[in-house]
Amino acid sequence: KNQVEQSPQSLIILEGKNCTLQCNYTVSPFSNLRWYKQDTGRGPVSLTIMTFSENTKSNGRYTATLDADTKQSSLHITASQLSDSASYICVVRATSYGKLTFGQGTILTVHP
Amino acid sequence: NAGVTQTPKFRVLKTGQSMTLLCAQDMNHEYMYWYRQDPGMGLRLIHYSVGEGTTAKGEVPDGYNVSRLKKQNFLLGLESAAPSQTSVYFCASSYSGTGSGYTFGSGTRLTVV
Repeated sequence: KNQVEQSPQSLIILEGKNCTLQCNYTVSPFSNLRWYKQDTGRGPVSLTIMTFSENTKSNGRYTATLDADTKQSSLHITASQLSDSASYICVVRATSYGKLTFGQGTILTVHP
Repeated sequence: NAGVTQTPKFRVLKTGQSMTLLCAQDMNHEYMYWYRQDPGMGLRLIHYSVGEGTTAKGEVPDGYNVSRLKKQNFLLGLESAAPSQTSVYFCASSYSGTGSGYTFGSGTRLTVV
């Protein structure tokens, strides 16, 4: 069964600190992996999309890494801001036209 | 830039009542999707459409029906609401089946009492 597991479930950090969120998946065959940010009461918004051949992709202070061999991805947030408080969702697509499998999300809270 | 618009944003239903959720996109996307999001779980696909006049079942289709009479609109219907359908519903659209341009609406919070 295709699954996406994220850790930790929730995380609290102080403003200005860095953090790393983890995503492990069993989706096969793999097409791409996406990280989304979901603010409270809003829909998910795409941060990065990574294919099999990409190891790292950045979007401002967000850097995603992918290890397709171990089926792991991470999202690193640098110099966190209060506006980074949100749920971060890892999503994996199986094959080019396969459905998306969503992780349960990591809830990040940034305190001043 | 409206993107994907969902109406209503909030709704409370009594068990057995019916309602329709509307999703509208202005990006000329072919593919549209309905998901539900429950606490502690990832988004789950209810139904989807690969073009005007087409619909298909997703992961959790029971208790829901959909229609795509116009390319820009995708309707989700609950014929007889049950408390188990209390959830946040998200509509999404994409340009193609590969997921390019995948865009979500802001959600509809539905409570069935």
